[in-house]
Amino acid sequence: DQQVKQNSPSLSVQEGRISILNCDYTNSMFDYFLWYKKYPAEGPTFLISISSIKDKNEDGRFTVFLNKSAKHLSLHIVPSQPGDSAVYFCAASKLTGANNLFFGTGTRLTVIP
Amino acid sequence: NAGVTQTPKFQVLKTGQSMTLQCAQDMNHNSMYWYRQDPGMGLRLIYYSASEGTTDKGEVPNGYNVSRLNKREFSLRLESAAPSQTSVYFCASGGSLSSETQYFGPGTRLLVL
Repeated sequence: DQQVKQNSPSLSVQEGRISILNCDYTNSMFDYFLWYKKYPAEGPTFLISISSIKDKNEDGRFTVFLNKSAKHLSLHIVPSQPGDSAVYFCAASKLTGANNLFFGTGTRLTVIP
Repeated sequence: NAGVTQTPKFQVLKTGQSMTLQCAQDMNHNSMYWYRQDPGMGLRLIYYSASEGTTDKGEVPNGYNVSRLNKREFSLRLESAAPSQTSVYFCASGGSLSSETQYFGPGTRLLVL
């Protein structure tokens, strides 16, 4: 059973506009959330993370929002650039036990010049 | 500082053949991980090693074995390859705490005929 879900397989936005990627999770034990970016034929690269004690974390053009009550997080990219075109994976880990990541199925973002 | 390296990059096997995927990291991380990525499935954890000398099963361990050779190296072995093991395999390393990011290698693309 998929514990981390990304229900939008793809998203297209115009260059300069905002990209919003969504992620939902089912396990209330998750306490740390990450976004990874993946280009074809490369490994995922870490983008931004957020702890469950926060509701927002910002790093340059990237902001992650966490709504614990709704078990939902989102990644905002403003402004979007063509180089942002990639597959974005949401991932979550638990407070206790091993630091294993549970991944969503990914959203392919295309930024149109 | 190479980060996480994986060999080989690509491999074709016949059903029943065996092979070992190699992974090494130079970031002095305690934990190492093996994931597989299949279309529409995201990344799923096969095995992990929380520290040198320990290994544990992840979500999809059947058909695989692992060895944590030392702190730097973590190998994944397919004893008798099956077409269902056709996938892209990623190795990752990271800290032991849930708040510590995992860093991924470039992946090994495996095709089992």
